[in-house]
Amino acid sequence: KAGVTQTPRYLIKTRGQQVTLSCSPISGHRSVSWYQQTPGQGLQFLFEYFSETQRNKGNFPGRFSGRQFSNSRSEMNVSTLELGDSALYLCASSPGAGGHSTDTQYFGPGTRLTVL
Amino acid sequence: AQSVTQLGSHVSVSEGALVLLRCNYSSSVPPYLFWYVQYPNQGLQLLLKYTSAATLVKGINGFEAEFKKSETSFHLTKPSAHMSDAAEYFCAVIGGYQKVTFGTGTKLQVIP
Repeated sequence: KAGVTQTPRYLIKTRGQQVTLSCSPISGHRSVSWYQQTPGQGLQFLFEYFSETQRNKGNFPGRFSGRQFSNSRSEMNVSTLELGDSALYLCASSPGAGGHSTDTQYFGPGTRLTVL
Repeated sequence: AQSVTQLGSHVSVSEGALVLLRCNYSSSVPPYLFWYVQYPNQGLQLLLKYTSAATLVKGINGFEAEFKKSETSFHLTKPSAHMSDAAEYFCAVIGGYQKVTFGTGTKLQVIP
């Protein structure tokens, strides 16, 4: 089974621009979660999607948004980029049985975003 | 709210020595706990998970962790460190709807 894939792997943007990152989960997985990793703040939960619905959200400003498609692929978008958005963005997928699921999450390699 | 605390942001061990990475959790309900490893410029790889089936959990690459409710701990150990174990290790707890809360990470250095 192929693992979680994320595209692109590296991205350079300038302040004020917007960016879209893509995540393809493991086949059959319906839950996709996104995390931001920075040296200062560590790993922080952004949001989680299951069956095209956002079920959970972390403490990030509205500039961070996401969506999930019917094939479970997910995208996250960051608008009006700031220098502090430079980070490794990780996507994770799990079977996601629904409700208070505690399935194991499997992570992709991440997208390294640099904002200049 | 659930949380985990990792003691020691950097740990150095000699090759062949015992590896002990510490993690304490805080949870009002029985926690689901994980250890992940991250190699440079890579994503997170699951080492092992605790889901209340057994207190001693064996993972990949010779790692294991023991859940101790009385100490609210879930420390990660490996009897003999290998150079390839050099990486950053994260303890994590999962809450509702897949929200995972990670510790701050421990960078393991293995000295030849």
